[in-house]
Amino acid sequence: DQQVKQNSPSLSVQEGRISILNCDYTNSMFDYFLWYKKYPAEGPTFLISISSIKDKNEDGRFTVFLNKSAKHLSLHIVPSQPGDSAVYFCAASGIGKTSYDKVIFGPGTSLSVIP
Amino acid sequence: KAGVTQTPRYLIKTRGQQVTLSCSPISGHRSVSWYQQTPGQGLQFLFEYFSETQRNKGNFPGRFSGRQFSNSRSEMNVSTLELGDSALYLCASSPDRGGGELFFGEGSRLTVL
Repeated sequence: DQQVKQNSPSLSVQEGRISILNCDYTNSMFDYFLWYKKYPAEGPTFLISISSIKDKNEDGRFTVFLNKSAKHLSLHIVPSQPGDSAVYFCAASGIGKTSYDKVIFGPGTSLSVIP
Repeated sequence: KAGVTQTPRYLIKTRGQQVTLSCSPISGHRSVSWYQQTPGQGLQFLFEYFSETQRNKGNFPGRFSGRQFSNSRSEMNVSTLELGDSALYLCASSPDRGGGELFFGEGSRLTVL
């Protein structure tokens, strides 16, 4: 049973517009959430994270929103650029919680930003 | 600072063989995690090692094993290879024990024929 879900396998957005990638989780023990970006033939690279004590975290063009009651988070990229085209993985962990303090990844969403 | 290094980058094996993959973490990082990536499945957690001890293990059969050495370098082994083991195997390191930000290597691409 997948604990971290990304229900959109792919997403296409025009350059300059907003990209919104969604993620849902099922385990209430998760309290730390991360987004990673992956280009082909490279390892994933960390993008941004958020702790469950916050509902929003910003870093430049990237903002992550967390809705704990809905067990939902989203990554907003504004404005989208062609170089953002990659696979985006949502991930979750329960820091300091035995058996949950490991990073669990979703299946990924492939983002294409069209020039 | 050098990143996470994985060797070999590519390898081809046949069913029934065994394989050993190596991972050198970022200097100073004590935790090493391993993931398997297959199309449509995302990154599946294999196991995590911290200070030479396995801290967490994913839902993989006993054919998958690993270890960590005193210098934090880690190896994973897959015995009696099956076609379904074909995947990208990713190693990630972090400064402390599990759950926080991970720094990934480029992966070892295993093809089982």
